[in-house]
Amino acid sequence: LAKTTQPISMDSYEGQEVNITCSHNNIATNDYITWYQQFPSQGPRFIIQGYKTKVTNEVASLFIPADRKSSTLSLPRVSLSDTAVYYCLVGDSNQAGTALIFGKGTTLSVSS
Amino acid sequence: DTAVSQTPKYLVTQMGNDKSIKCEQNLGHDTMYWYKQDSKKFLKIMFSYNNKELIINETVPNRFSPKSPDKAHLNLHINSLELGDSAVYFCASSYTSAENGYTFGSGTRLTVV
Repeated sequence: LAKTTQPISMDSYEGQEVNITCSHNNIATNDYITWYQQFPSQGPRFIIQGYKTKVTNEVASLFIPADRKSSTLSLPRVSLSDTAVYYCLVGDSNQAGTALIFGKGTTLSVSS
Repeated sequence: DTAVSQTPKYLVTQMGNDKSIKCEQNLGHDTMYWYKQDSKKFLKIMFSYNNKELIINETVPNRFSPKSPDKAHLNLHINSLELGDSAVYFCASSYTSAENGYTFGSGTRLTVV
């Protein structure tokens, strides 16, 4: 499975847009890019998934360039409650039982 | 109405004991997983079951034995508990295609003393 690299930590203030970039140079043709959010004492929560170009939902946007070797999670106007660890994962979502491999994630701290 | 539920939420036990953690999902998913999150917050896959069949069995001691009586349940039994088994164990489920990602339970914090 493709390995990902993302910043260990980021700091932001309420109301700002936060962009977290993830590198996945060895991404395979069948791999999707998925982002999860984890609050302390909770399990990871699915945020967004994409294959190429741009995906947007009510929580975030995911930008994927044409070569797919990186992706950027964009959180618009963050609040204190967005303080969490964000994981970028790549994997073949069509392979039975393929388990997503979590990296270290990016710890986002939002201050007032 | 919890989608993926794990019991117990907390488990404190002595070394050498045998314990089980139960997991149930009501999402109709056909694949279930067990992950271990250690004190450094790394999430590591332990097992994966697809339609009750073991698909992934990472390098996990034989003391850990998953059991899936049906595709809605994946239990984890641990024999002869050791101090190093202390961690948070997360159950998760998904469709085979992993559309919409995995849904995780809230975790079971195991403390071995």
